[in-house]
Amino acid sequence: RKEVEQDPGPFNVPEGATVAFNCTYSNSASQSFFWYRQDCRKEPKLLMSVYSSGNEDGRFTAQLNRASQYISLLIRDSKLSDSATYLCVVTTNAGKSTFGDGTTLTVKP
Amino acid sequence: DGGITQSPKYLFRKEGQNVTLSCEQNLNHDAMYWYRQDPGQGLRLIYYSQIVNDFQKGDIAEGYSVSREKKESFPLTVTSAQKNPTAFYLCASSTPGQWDQPQHFGDGTRLSIL
Repeated sequence: RKEVEQDPGPFNVPEGATVAFNCTYSNSASQSFFWYRQDCRKEPKLLMSVYSSGNEDGRFTAQLNRASQYISLLIRDSKLSDSATYLCVVTTNAGKSTFGDGTTLTVKP
Repeated sequence: DGGITQSPKYLFRKEGQNVTLSCEQNLNHDAMYWYRQDPGQGLRLIYYSQIVNDFQKGDIAEGYSVSREKKESFPLTVTSAQKNPTAFYLCASSTPGQWDQPQHFGDGTRLSIL
């Protein structure tokens, strides 16, 4: 079993739709959690950190459930420009980061 | 502007040849990382360094070597022992000990076999 697992998708949604991605992790020593966005043939870029209390940044909401060991990303009112691969990243208290394989989102007109 | 610079953007390796990928950062980060990404897959950790003159193997270190002689620089050598080197290589840096701080990435090097 992988340390960090994501549904690979692809998720194909119309503009304006709400879409949610989940990511599960197996290491209970995990300390920090992030969502990155990666466009085709580009480097990953930080989308948002994930805090225990949940956090929101515009149309994006991230949540953490430590008891069930998963994090989620919700995108509301999807835009064409949201089309990308979304990577979840889990960092342990020893500083080692593990990336999920990513979930691909395509937003269609 | 602070950031991470990787070079070259594209690199071709002949069989039996060692090649070195450059990674330089001016973010004053202590920790640096090398990842490999294959098509349709996530990032896999090759090597990481939390401080100058020290580095540790990641999950897929075989066939690779690194050095960390300066805080700003963390070059990766892909040796001839790496039989399947074709991939997208990403360098990152962060501040160790501050686990809520994310990693920052360079824009990557694409390595192919001639």
